[in-house]
Amino acid sequence: GIQVEQSPPDLILQEGANSTLRCNFSDSVNNLQWFHQNPWGQLINLFYIPSGTKQNGRLSATTVATERYSLLYISSSQTTDSGVYFCAVERGATNKLIFGTGTLLAVQP
Amino acid sequence: DVKVTQSSRYLVKRTGEKVFLECVQDMDHENMFWYRQDPGLGLRLIYFSYDVKMKEKGDIPEGYSVSREKKERFSLILESASTNQTSMYLCVVGYTFGSGTRLTVV
Repeated sequence: GIQVEQSPPDLILQEGANSTLRCNFSDSVNNLQWFHQNPWGQLINLFYIPSGTKQNGRLSATTVATERYSLLYISSSQTTDSGVYFCAVERGATNKLIFGTGTLLAVQP
Repeated sequence: DVKVTQSSRYLVKRTGEKVFLECVQDMDHENMFWYRQDPGLGLRLIYFSYDVKMKEKGDIPEGYSVSREKKERFSLILESASTNQTSMYLCVVGYTFGSGTRLTVV
């Protein structure tokens, strides 16, 4: 089956720093999403981004489908950005998501 | 947006018990999923359903079963709980997650 790899596995930042998280996938996909899991366990959808670039405040994401990777940019990080960031891919219009193992981000004040 | 409610936030059960995890949605979505999340392994799909009384195995269905008698409710059943089923269980409707159930089997 399709493999989804995320890097780095862990990241520690000082507040105000910028970061880039990467997601590689092994086959063509119909959909790619980025999720944030807060320290209490709730997962929130950040971006639905099968291709191209999207921005939402301090976060932006770019997916290059032909090269099978996606990047999540976090600028001017805040302590509330802490948590785990997952990317997930979908083949076909099934809602069936295949997740990477996540990047654990800790933003220190 | 759909609201996804998981009945228990934390649960402690004994080995061998039959455990029911409930997931309820407030809209009419057809697609419902159960994942478990373990450190270092990400989220893995246990079972999913695309309609009432319909169920499909995911990647790790062993030791689990599911029930979907009504469209809004999708239940995950641990027939005989074991310690290796200690995990965070997440219900997903469409692309919206419930708040999760952290199950500990002792």
